[in-house]
Amino acid sequence: DGGITQSPKYLFRKEGQNVTLSCEQNLNHDAMYWYRQDPGQGLRLIYYSQIVNDFQKGDIAEGYSVSREKKESFPLTVTSAQKNPTAFYLCASVPSWGYGYTFGSGTRLTVV
Amino acid sequence: AQSVTQLDSQVPVFEEAPVELRCNYSSSVSVYLFWYVQYPNQGLQLLLKYLSGSTLVKGINGFEAEFNKSQTSFHLRKPSVHISDTAEYFCAVIGTISNFGNEKLTFGTGTRLTIIP
Repeated sequence: DGGITQSPKYLFRKEGQNVTLSCEQNLNHDAMYWYRQDPGQGLRLIYYSQIVNDFQKGDIAEGYSVSREKKESFPLTVTSAQKNPTAFYLCASVPSWGYGYTFGSGTRLTVV
Repeated sequence: AQSVTQLDSQVPVFEEAPVELRCNYSSSVSVYLFWYVQYPNQGLQLLLKYLSGSTLVKGINGFEAEFNKSQTSFHLRKPSVHISDTAEYFCAVIGTISNFGNEKLTFGTGTRLTIIP
């Protein structure tokens, strides 16, 4: 079945540590997105990518980095510069011909 | 740019009662509108969308929404709710006048629907 796979489902980070969240899709979608979700704040866009080897900052990119070396993959690195990384992270994708986003099941990141 | 307002952060409803979740948007261009549902610790699932045509849109799980351009609203309704409808619901908007990728979905802050047995 086609879809988006996010891993891991739960992730714990120590202070000062970088961690990478995985997002893989087999939908042949062109654009991919990373959102951060905090209680009562809805979804906020971190980074997005329309094509391979190209990506743009969203509204809250500070402390995060991404890469898009393959169409299927859009990993997100939460760096030590992100001071409040505890949140639920969602990856989404959309084809070039449509507007309906498909979401992964999310990764819950907790700082310990 | 667009913005979305979901006025109710929490809505408690008795089982089998009707429900309306409100969504208002602001945009200087024409828009497409969406409702998503999120169950605990899961991603978002598309409930329904308005792209064009009839302003009354029917979605999955018995939900429907009506696009009202003059009131810039896209309220979500269900005539009789079930315990399984307990979830968070997000309204989202995107401008229609755009090259692909230049505009992104803008989400509201969500409405938590709780069904009371």
